Amino acid sequence: GQSLEQPSEVTAVEGAIVQINCTYQTSGFYGLSWYQQHDGGAPTFLSYNGLDGLEETGRFSSFLSRSDSYGYLLLQELQMKDSASYFCAVREAGGYQKVTFGTGTKLQVIP
Amino acid sequence: DAGVIQSPRHEVTEMGQEVTLRCKPISGHNSLFWYRQTMMRGLELLIYFNNNVPIDDSGMPEDRFSAKMPNASFSTLKIQPSEPRDSAVYFCASSLRRRGPTDTQYFGPGTRLTVL
Repeated sequence: GQSLEQPSEVTAVEGAIVQINCTYQTSGFYGLSWYQQHDGGAPTFLSYNGLDGLEETGRFSSFLSRSDSYGYLLLQELQMKDSASYFCAVREAGGYQKVTFGTGTKLQVIP
Repeated sequence: DAGVIQSPRHEVTEMGQEVTLRCKPISGHNSLFWYRQTMMRGLELLIYFNNNVPIDDSGMPEDRFSAKMPNASFSTLKIQPSEPRDSAVYFCASSLRRRGPTDTQYFGPGTRLTVL
């Protein structure tokens, strides 16, 4: 089985940088994904790490350390529209793309 | 390019009634997932299909829940009989399974179910 831990809430100032951590325990691991969900909306894919290291996509970066069972999402130059919930998700080894989501981190960006 | 389509967007029903949620995945995608989201339990995977075949239904809460995928462009999630604790947002998602670590799931807008 899988279990993932994330902070439940984070508050940060507009223009700043925020890091959302995710630790996981899994019996089989293939990769770590991040999804964003605005209130009332659907989750949307942000990034995927299949290998150790940093993946950068615009203002967002995601990091994975397999040896530490740890990853994080880094959001730079925060904007008010970044206020949302962010979920890490583990893809199981073995194919079929089964993904287990963490409980999510609610990010509030304040002026 | 249409995304994942779900219907209805909102459903209010009374306890004991049958509820059917519908999903049309993105054309060409071969994997389909049904999720349930509540404040208490977060985002839970209920069942997923690959090439229209159910692969894992271990997340289906009980026998009152059933899901079908009769063809590549349509899936249903049925609750019979419904109970107030089934109230949640139900999401359908689809993806394209390839060789290699592709992982993007595309979510529909969800169906907000309220069981009175």
